[in-house]
Amino acid sequence: DSGVTQTPKHLITATGQRVTLRCSPRSGDLSVYWYQQSLDQGLQFLIQYYNGEERAKGNILERFSAQQFPDLHSELNLSSLELGDSALYFCASSVEPLLYTEAFFGQGTRLTVV
Amino acid sequence: DQQVKQNSPSLSVQEGRISILNCDYTNSMFDYFLWYKKYPAEGPTFLISISSIKDKNEDGRFTVFLNKSAKHLSLHIVPSQPGDSAVYFCAASLQGGSEKLVFGKGTKLTVNP
Repeated sequence: DSGVTQTPKHLITATGQRVTLRCSPRSGDLSVYWYQQSLDQGLQFLIQYYNGEERAKGNILERFSAQQFPDLHSELNLSSLELGDSALYFCASSVEPLLYTEAFFGQGTRLTVV
Repeated sequence: DQQVKQNSPSLSVQEGRISILNCDYTNSMFDYFLWYKKYPAEGPTFLISISSIKDKNEDGRFTVFLNKSAKHLSLHIVPSQPGDSAVYFCAASLQGGSEKLVFGKGTKLTVNP
């Protein structure tokens, strides 16, 4: 158990809908990262938050947004969903922005858009 | 443009033998490299890392080698065990401006009894 909790584990929704994925980081971790893993792809970095503020942005679509709350949990919002958004979405956390430290991953949320 | 490449999608070895997983990167500014292991239906789990100031790091059965001039790193598992069967991801990070981990696509290792 990495200590990072993601909910829900599975999500099935229709095209055009909006969903929210939730992540609770490890106790004491201030940084939260979101990654997307599509079929046969590596993990694509989406966005990072540190202590409530956006720290780095990757290949995140404009239809996607995220935030980190004062209690440090984070939510990833996906809207106007398309079939191609079907993927595993991972959250990871670390004590601080990566400076020779490793990030710990949650089990992921499997999103299926039908 | 893929900055971290794992050119072998899969690797099969016999139990007790050595497993060698390879990773190449293109960005010479990367200064920290990690290997993650992932079982089905689970998140990636950190395995071992190496800083660019080193060329080798060892942790039990796992050793990572870094060749900066070739922009290449490898993970050696000796001896391989059936429980090592998983997907292994190579990742790299860039200090001082970009704090994200850049991942390769992974290599699926199968260790046969």
